[in-house]
Amino acid sequence: EVQLLDSGGGLAQPGGSLRLSCAASGFTFSNIAMSWVRQAPGKGLEWVSVISASSHTTSYADSVKGRFTISRDNSRNTLFLQMNSLRAEDTAIYYCAKCTGQGWKYYFDYWGQGTLVTVSS
Amino acid sequence: DIQMTQSPSSLSASVGDRVTITCRASQSINTYLNWYQQKPGKVPNLLIYEASSLQSGVPSRFSGSGSGTDFTLTISSLQPEDFAAYYCQQSYTTPWTFGQGTKVEIK
Repeated sequence: EVQLLDSGGGLAQPGGSLRLSCAASGFTFSNIAMSWVRQAPGKGLEWVSVISASSHTTSYADSVKGRFTISRDNSRNTLFLQMNSLRAEDTAIYYCAKCTGQGWKYYFDYWGQGTLVTVSS
Repeated sequence: DIQMTQSPSSLSASVGDRVTITCRASQSINTYLNWYQQKPGKVPNLLIYEASSLQSGVPSRFSGSGSGTDFTLTISSLQPEDFAAYYCQQSYTTPWTFGQGTKVEIK
């Protein structure tokens, strides 16, 4: 059974940092690209970032580029999102998501339960 | 970036109704269009991938169609458990983008 367990959310001040984690199990993590998707309170879904299985390729939404860094540790089956220079508009539930599909045309077939990030002074 | 526009933003329907939600892309995305359902307080759930393929375990009353810029999600006979928000997502190119969502409510 595929399981994704998000953690690391909490309250951060504007300009601060947080590091999210996603522990994966039930599939061969090292063979699969992974993403982060967020949802602001009462709003829709916004894709944040993706990392290839080998970590060779990453991509970011313009809204987080230069501030967030996606990474993974395949030996620990864990995905990370380092969030720096946080802004109020980064307040959201952050979901890790397992990518599937062909040729970097991915969709998301499994999602973590989400971790809430609140940016406020 | 490719903009995804869903219509309507919300709709009211009765159990047993046929429901259609549309999604339009700002440029051609071939058939790289996916649909998700999200119930209140829950995690999004993949329904349809690549425009018309039904995800394993999803009831057959859900179907998808379209290519290029115009796509449709159809629920053939609305069930009580189908009242939720629905989102389209293009996977043609990064940044992958979602529609703003369609909320299906009980009439």
